[in-house]
Amino acid sequence: QVQLQESGPGLVKPSETLSLTCAVSGYSISSGYYWGWIRQPPGKGLEWIGSIYHSGSTYYNPSLKSRVTISVDTSKNQFSLKLSSVTAADTAVYYCARVGGAIPYYYMDVWGKGTTVTVSS
Amino acid sequence: EIVLTQSPGTLSLSPGERATLSCRASQSVSSSYLAWYQQKPGQAPRLLIYGASSRATGIPDRFSGSGSGTDFTLTISRLEPEDFAVYYCQQYGSSRSTFGQGTKVEIK
Repeated sequence: QVQLQESGPGLVKPSETLSLTCAVSGYSISSGYYWGWIRQPPGKGLEWIGSIYHSGSTYYNPSLKSRVTISVDTSKNQFSLKLSSVTAADTAVYYCARVGGAIPYYYMDVWGKGTTVTVSS
Repeated sequence: EIVLTQSPGTLSLSPGERATLSCRASQSVSSSYLAWYQQKPGQAPRLLIYGASSRATGIPDRFSGSGSGTDFTLTISRLEPEDFAVYYCQQYGSSRSTFGQGTKVEIK
């Protein structure tokens, strides 16, 4: 079955760039679907960050758009998130997920386990 | 941006009881593009319902979704011990998908 696994540094300094990768197994990204990132600050709710198609077409949450870049590497069957100029407010569990439909901001039907990123000096 | 308000914040019930969770949108959600997720501590959310009323693969039929426009409901007909968790709604009918703040279903 489809599985997703996030990886990346657990600690990032303020003003630096957060970088995470999501490795997909059990399904070829090139076969379709959008692939997305969602985050959850400690003790809080969920926030959709953005999504990417295998062609490289991206769609971002307007509130984060100026700082977010999502890219895809079909040869490695993975996609990545970069969030620049981070502050403590970006501390969260970051999830990667498969978008369940043809629209980039659709519901997410398969999720990774999540990775905790703390922004602190 | 469509704001989703979930109520109640916490629902205290016993196993076997019926749970009714509400998700109200600040504007009409087009095409009933509303989903429900279950999240247990330390775990990722799990998709339960999409399209307001369609159960995701493998979801037991004690979970059902209903509603349209601005008012949506998730019903758990008979609570099982594994159903005690936090539930989130998500609208994806606008270009900026948003989530509700969650309802915690706890054991009474």
